[in-house]
Parts: sequence; structure tokens; C-alpha cells
Amino acid sequence: SYELTQPPSVSVSPGQTARITCSGDALARKFAYWYQHKSGQAPVAVIYEDVKRPSGIPERFSGSSSGAMATLTISGAQVEDEADYYCSSTDSSGHQRVFGGGTKLTVL
Amino acid sequence: QVQLVQSGAEVKRPGSSVTVSCKASGGAFSGYSFSWVRQAPGQGLEWLGTFITIFDTATYAQKFQGRVTITADKSTSTAYVEVTSLRSDDTAVYFCARGPIDCSSHPCYIDPYLDLWGQGTLVTVSS
Repeated sequence: SYELTQPPSVSVSPGQTARITCSGDALARKFAYWYQHKSGQAPVAVIYEDVKRPSGIPERFSGSSSGAMATLTISGAQVEDEADYYCSSTDSSGHQRVFGGGTKLTVL
Repeated sequence: QVQLVQSGAEVKRPGSSVTVSCKASGGAFSGYSFSWVRQAPGQGLEWLGTFITIFDTATYAQKFQGRVTITADKSTSTAYVEVTSLRSDDTAVYFCARGPIDCSSHPCYIDPYLDLWGQGTLVTVSS
């Protein structure tokens, strides 16, 4: 089955730039979506269609994609950005959706 | 504003079935897809399947084909997921999530983007 690969953890100091990567063969042809998930809460989309930011998401969140890798960038990470981040996409057929394993972002 | 409100926590015996509901209040229901995603303790998010309202059909993750059924009642704006033959590793928080459908061109595009999520429902499977 199709898989998306993320680093298990990323750690930055407040104000630094955090980059979280997501790799998968089909990402060269399919969009990536990024979700922020804090414990006990519902996930929230922070990036959709590789680079678009939903209404209400701070401008410090941005997305990019090149070849088989998508990247979520948080410029000037804040303590409140500490969360698990998941990338999501579909396989090459578009019928099977998949989440990456998740990346725990620590900001301290 | 639009909210997805899920049913309450469930405790089930191994081998039994569970149905979790997700009611869309304050907005449109038809014209969207409704997906179910779960998170087992200490694990990541896992997609179970998606109901496509404009086609009245569901697609499923291969892993759950035959054991998970996703339906929807347009008259009450409610989506459902049923999981049968429950095992202990089905213990998880189950989330519903809405996705856009774009029919401005043919064929309609079932967007994988999940723009609105329910609050989650804890399902515990224990003997």
C-alpha cells in the first residue's frame, strides 16, 4: 500500500523556522495537505493543495512541493505551534487516501 | 457557523459492532464528502473511508474493506460509520471530516482536502 514518510520529530527555538518534510512517489502528481493536531482537539488544516493557506491560518505557515517531496514551513515558530503535524495525499489512482506517520513539533 | 457534531463515547466487546454518527449543523450537507479518520492511542491518523454525497457511494481504505461501512442520511444531514467484528486494536478516537466537491467541470472533482472536522468519538473495545 502507498505510504507517505515524515520525520518523527522536529525541534526549534521560538522565532526560528521549522521545516517538516513529507515524501511519497505520487506527490509529484498529487497535491499534499497538512493538518495540525493538538492533543484532545480535532485536527485543523493549515495548508491545502500544496501551497494554499485556509482562512484564519497565520501567514507564518506555508507549503511547497518539488518532485516527490512536500514541505511545511513555519517561519518564526511560536510556542503555540507545538503540535503533531500530518501530511496527507492520495495514491496515484486518486482513490486511496493516506496520512503520513506524523511529525511532533517541539518549540522551546 | 457550520459544525460537525459526533455521537458520544462507546465501550464495546470484542466481536461486536459500533456505529458512530456525525451531524452537520448550520450548513449544507449535500455537495460535500464526509470522511472518517481514526487515531489509536499513541498512533497517527488513519483514513477509513469517504462517503460521496452526490453519488451516494463510499470508497474505503483497502485495509478496512468489508469491515467498515460508511453511509449518510441527507434528510438529517448525518453521516455514519459502522465498524464490525471489533478487536482491541480498533480502540481509537474516530473523527469525521468534511471535504469539498467541485462540479464546475466534468467529471466532478472529489477534493481530498478535509476542511472541517468533528470533535472526535472515543471507541473502546475491551472484554
